[in-house]
Amino acid sequence: RKEVEQDPGPFNVPEGATVAFNCTYSNSASQSFFWYRQDCRKEPKLLMSVYSSGNEDGRFTAQLNRASQYISLLIRDSKLSDSATYLCVVTPLDTGRRALTFGSGTRLQVQP
Amino acid sequence: DVKVTQSSRYLVKRTGEKVFLECVQDMDHENMFWYRQDPGLGLRLIYFSYDVKMKEKGDIPEGYSVSREKKERFSLILESASTNQTSMYLCASSLLVGGTRAYEQYFGPGTRLTVT
Repeated sequence: RKEVEQDPGPFNVPEGATVAFNCTYSNSASQSFFWYRQDCRKEPKLLMSVYSSGNEDGRFTAQLNRASQYISLLIRDSKLSDSATYLCVVTPLDTGRRALTFGSGTRLQVQP
Repeated sequence: DVKVTQSSRYLVKRTGEKVFLECVQDMDHENMFWYRQDPGLGLRLIYFSYDVKMKEKGDIPEGYSVSREKKERFSLILESASTNQTSMYLCASSLLVGGTRAYEQYFGPGTRLTVT
C-alpha cells in the first residue's frame, strides 16, 4: 500500500464551482501535512500547511482527520487559474531528515 | 526571491553514459534534495543532503550518487545511465529550522532526462 494515496482525477469542474479532494495516508505516526500545487510542466510549490484545527486561506480550506487518516482540500469559487495538479504531502517518521513523502497528485481542470 | 536552478531543462543520453545533473540554490539553505517524478508514482526521493559533504539515501538511491562540495550546489550522478532512469528530475532545497517552515521546499524547474 502506498504511503500517501490520492485520486488522480481529472476533476473537471466549471468556473465558480466548489471542489474537494481527499488524500489518505497509511502511517498513523505522520506528523505534518501539506498541500503543494504543480502547474503543467512546472515545479511543485507549497500551497498551504494543514493543521489539526484546519486552516483557511482565501478560497482554499485544508482539513485533517487523524482518526480516519486523511486530509482534504476544498476550493470554493473555482477559477481557471486553479487548474493544476494538487499534491498531498506528509512528513515521514524521521522528521530530522526534513524529507517529504508526496502523493502522486490529483489533477483539477476548471472549465469556462 | 527564492531561486533554485538546474543545469538543463532537457537532456538526452545513451545507455551506459555517465550523467551529471547540477542544482544550485541562492537561498543559503542547508537541506537539498533530489527527486524523480514519474506518472502515477509521484515524487520519489533519491538522495538528500543536510550539509556540505553530507549525504543520505532516500527511497530509491540505486543507480545514483550525489556530491555536495559547496553549500549552494548539489549534484546528482547517474553512474551508468539506463532506460529505466528516463524521468523528470527535480531538485529542491529547504531551511534547517524548526516548525513547519522546515518542510517548505523550494523546487527547481526540473530536468527531463531521456535515456535511449
